[in-house]
Amino acid sequence: GAVVSQHPSRVICKSGTSVKIECRSLDFQATTMFWYRQFPKQSLMLMATSNEGSKATYEQGVEKDKFLINHASLTLSTLTVTSAHPEDSSFYICSARGGVARTNEAFFGQGTRLTVV
Amino acid sequence: DQQVKQNSPSLSVQEGRISILNCDYTNSMFDYFLWYKKYPAEGPTFLISISSIKDKNEDGRFTVFLNKSAKHLSLHIVPSQPGDSAVYFCAASAHRDDKIIFGKGTRLHILP
Repeated sequence: GAVVSQHPSRVICKSGTSVKIECRSLDFQATTMFWYRQFPKQSLMLMATSNEGSKATYEQGVEKDKFLINHASLTLSTLTVTSAHPEDSSFYICSARGGVARTNEAFFGQGTRLTVV
Repeated sequence: DQQVKQNSPSLSVQEGRISILNCDYTNSMFDYFLWYKKYPAEGPTFLISISSIKDKNEDGRFTVFLNKSAKHLSLHIVPSQPGDSAVYFCAASAHRDDKIIFGKGTRLHILP
């Protein structure tokens, strides 16, 4: 299947700082990218959907000023957690979907474990 | 409001037997359904999908069945193998907005 690379896989940051997570589609053009957050023993919660070259669409309850998403090219999307707090500690996962047919399944990155201390 | 429901948080199955994972959905606009497998601290891996125009899709040991009238789908794994032990997520999307919505997952344990 298609390859989606997410970086870093693990990051520890101090409270108040910002952290950027990258998501790259390595062998296809990702017209749509999704960002998810997973809490322990819980489902993948969709945070936002981004289409290349346009603003991300955030799910209800997700602060767009705190979780900045940029989808500048067909192979790269970034999620920046601004002014991180301990409650932002979580497992963040991106996924990418591409191709003409909308029924293409989305492929996932490896995830990023964020710990805010 | 949970649109995709996996009511069994865990399931144990003997190796070699059939594993059946169930999923229910509430949004009648969903027209595409997916199953993902996930290991701890990794991203989900796509397993199999089905469009709402079908009621069955098969890929090797994995078969997904869709019952639109009951808003229910299931994933069958046969025969079950030790490497199948993981968390399985059911997911769905609607043509209109392309969002993929996940259930809470079912942890499958394959017993030796």
